[in-house]
Amino acid sequence: KNQVEQSPQSLIILEGKNCTLQCNYTVSPFSNLRWYKQDTGRGPVSLTIMTFSENTKSNGRYTATLDADTKQSSLHITASQLSDSASYICVVSGGSSNTGKLIFGQGTTLQVKP
Amino acid sequence: GAGVSQTPSNKVTEKGKYVELRCDPISGHTALYWYRQSLGQGPEFLIYFQGTGAADDSGLPNDRFFAVRPEGSVSTLKIQRTERGDSAVYLCASSLLGLAGGPRTGELFFGEGSRLTVL
Repeated sequence: KNQVEQSPQSLIILEGKNCTLQCNYTVSPFSNLRWYKQDTGRGPVSLTIMTFSENTKSNGRYTATLDADTKQSSLHITASQLSDSASYICVVSGGSSNTGKLIFGQGTTLQVKP
Repeated sequence: GAGVSQTPSNKVTEKGKYVELRCDPISGHTALYWYRQSLGQGPEFLIYFQGTGAADDSGLPNDRFFAVRPEGSVSTLKIQRTERGDSAVYLCASSLLGLAGGPRTGELFFGEGSRLTVL
């Protein structure tokens, strides 16, 4: 069964600290892996997209890694800010190009406190 | 438009009523997707359009749900005989091409969602 599992479910950190969010997937065949940030009451916004051949990608203070062998990804947030408080969703695209199925994780809720 | 636009942003209806939710994708995007998101959950796939046709509608939960995209741009998600369990945020997204595309062509842009509450 195609699944995406994220950990931790929720996380509280102090402003300025770093954190790492984890994503494990069992989607096959694999096309790409995406990390999204979703603020409360808003639509998800893309942070990174990685294909099979990429093992790291950065977007400002966000750095995503991908290990396609172990089917694991992580999202590292550096020098956290209050505005980083949101849900972070790992999403895997699999199957043929004729499908629109993205397999979404349940997200990690991050709260950054001053 | 500059982004994906969804209307209404909020809809409250009574059980058994008919509801239409509209999505206006980014101009030029051929692919359009509908997802449903319940509180505390990740979005759940409903249907995917490539141009005017539904390339994959396997996520529609039952025959009360139907979506159209007659001119390959604006899409409408239609829900008949609404039930309380249909209450959720309905998200629309578009991409330049399909999801198997690279970071540019497969990038997915979401709207803000339509929050449906069925009383």
